Amino acid sequence: QLQLQESGPGLVKPSETLSLTCTVSGDPISSSDYYWGWIRQPPGKGLEWIGSISYSWSTYYNPSLKSRVTISVDTLKNQFSLNLKSVTAADTAVYYCARQMVWPRPRLLYWFDPWGQGTLVTVSS
Amino acid sequence: SHELTQPLSVSVSPGQTARITCFGDVMPKQYAHWYRQKPGQAPVVLIYKNSERPSGIPERFSGSSSGTTVTLTISGVQAEDEADYYCQSSDSSGTSVIFGGGTHLTVL
Repeated sequence: QLQLQESGPGLVKPSETLSLTCTVSGDPISSSDYYWGWIRQPPGKGLEWIGSISYSWSTYYNPSLKSRVTISVDTLKNQFSLNLKSVTAADTAVYYCARQMVWPRPRLLYWFDPWGQGTLVTVSS
Repeated sequence: SHELTQPLSVSVSPGQTARITCFGDVMPKQYAHWYRQKPGQAPVVLIYKNSERPSGIPERFSGSSSGTTVTLTISGVQAEDEADYYCQSSDSSGTSVIFGGGTHLTVL
């Protein structure tokens, strides 16, 4: 059974870089059938897609975050990671990682399943 | 930019049918997917590609699409269905994911 687990600091200072890792277990991340995504949810608010990556480093980012976001993948460790730079209090959220279904050609990003349990990251000095 | 619009809240009595809509101009071109999120938990997919149901999801959850609106229907609502529901799709290119704002379902 596929499982995903987010890890990383729960507290980040303003202007610094938020870094999270998602460890995938139960299936190799190097499957061409899927992408791997990051989604966040500010306290009491809705879901916001951050970006998605394939095992071969093909990436898609939310246009509103693209200038600050980098998503990478490590197939040897079966992990993928999120870096969000120059954070502010508005970046405080629960961050989720998830597997994403895709259509290969043309590339279409579909639904997320399963999701990790999420990790709260607070931006504060 | 494309948006998905959901009602903020829907209320139904136990045993009744709840319908949650999601409006977006991309709907005729892209599939929609539905999630349920209970407090303190990660979202779980209920419906994918407008009307497909994953294994393990009860048959009382169904999805439909008509033009620019997709609808999640929950038949025989139970107290445990009280949760937030989100629709998700993508922009016209299919490579930028968008979520609706979410609908809170209250079981009276």
